Amino acid sequence: DAKTTQPPSMDCAEGRAANLPCNHSTISGNEYVYWYRQIHSQGPQYIIHGLKNNETNEMASLIITEDRKSSTLILPHATLRDTAVYYCIVRVVGSGYSTLTFGKGTMLLVSP
Amino acid sequence: NAGVTQTPKFQVLKTGQSMTLQCAQDMNHEYMSWYRQDPGMGLRLIHYSVGAGITDQGEVPNGYNVSRSTTEDFPLRLLSAAPSQTSVYFCASSTPGQGRAGYTFGSGTRLTVV
Repeated sequence: DAKTTQPPSMDCAEGRAANLPCNHSTISGNEYVYWYRQIHSQGPQYIIHGLKNNETNEMASLIITEDRKSSTLILPHATLRDTAVYYCIVRVVGSGYSTLTFGKGTMLLVSP
Repeated sequence: NAGVTQTPKFQVLKTGQSMTLQCAQDMNHEYMSWYRQDPGMGLRLIHYSVGAGITDQGEVPNGYNVSRSTTEDFPLRLLSAAPSQTSVYFCASSTPGQGRAGYTFGSGTRLTVV
């Protein structure tokens, strides 16, 4: 799986949008971009994934650049409960098994 | 629907003791895996299974054994615990191909080896 690069930490004010960047310049054509988050002491939680189109669900939006070398996770109205480590992962998705390879992620601190 | 259940939540072992960390899922997922997480680190894959009777090693398999006799259960065995195995252990399950969840994680087992 391709490696990803994320800033180690970011701050965001409560109620504002949190934009978390991720670089994945060596991504292959059959690799999806996945985002997970881990709230302190809990298991990682799936947020969203995408291949090349922008995606939105009830939790967040995912913006993938046209060349697919980077992406941005957007939490539109961050709350204190969004404070967590956010992991950007690229992963082959097909008929067989593929692992999730975690980096160190971005620690997002949402403040009042 | 319980998802992925891990037991115990906390455990203290003495060096050299053995124990089994339990993981069960009720989603009929084919794939199951074990990760460990050390302070300030991301998760690292220990072992995984693509179906009953099939297991394989991940990034950090030494000191751990697994088996998969049923679809639901994927226990992780520490044969002779060492202080270096002090960590938080997460079990995860998934289905082949695309899927909303990709992976569903348990709440973790916090293991201390003294």
